[in-house]
Amino acid sequence: GENVEQHPSTLSVQEGDSAVIKCTYSDSASNYFPWYKQELGKGPQLIIDIRSNVGEKKDQRIAVTLNKTAKHFSLHITETQPEDSAVYFCAAITTRGGSYIPTFGRGTSLIVHP
Amino acid sequence: NAGVMQNPRHLVRRRGQEARLRCSPMKGHSHVYWYRQLPEEGLKFMVYLQKENIIDESGMPKERFSAEFPKEGPSILRIQQVVRGDSAAYFCASSALAGVRTDTQYFGPGTRLTVL
Repeated sequence: GENVEQHPSTLSVQEGDSAVIKCTYSDSASNYFPWYKQELGKGPQLIIDIRSNVGEKKDQRIAVTLNKTAKHFSLHITETQPEDSAVYFCAAITTRGGSYIPTFGRGTSLIVHP
Repeated sequence: NAGVMQNPRHLVRRRGQEARLRCSPMKGHSHVYWYRQLPEEGLKFMVYLQKENIIDESGMPKERFSAEFPKEGPSILRIQQVVRGDSAAYFCASSALAGVRTDTQYFGPGTRLTVL
């Protein structure tokens, strides 16, 4: 089955700095890669996603890159703000046979210091 | 309110009791997924259901756990004879039945189960 590794487990930055979180996956059939932000006591919220037919996607201060050959994808947050502090999860999904079962990384706790 | 709804948000049970967790998907969504999250861990897939059908239950423990998604009403995750190891946050997610983004899942706020 799919295996997703996520690094780092904890990331501490100063407000205004950039943050990068990296994930690798093992199943070359995976073709959809969402990123979720989870604040304390809440459910994960989809913040950005990328499909395997594109290499990069950007939404304001958030961007995601995908390298299919190397089987890794990354989340980039620029100009970080204290409200970006949360746990971020990556996931890899293989869409085949109508079943979309994601495999999640273990999460990255991002702390943005004011 | 167009979001995924879960209730209760917090549930306390004593060992041996039953826990029932409910999930109402987003409007227009007919796919429901259940996940378990232990402290400082990622989300672990449990079961994937469509209306009146269990599509994939490969992540469900073989005993004590069951799930349903009836034609009418919310999806239910049932845990019988709970043990302390069942204490966790349980999240439900839903996705659309058809369309371009049928693989995109939206999560509810979760139910935090504590077993005493």
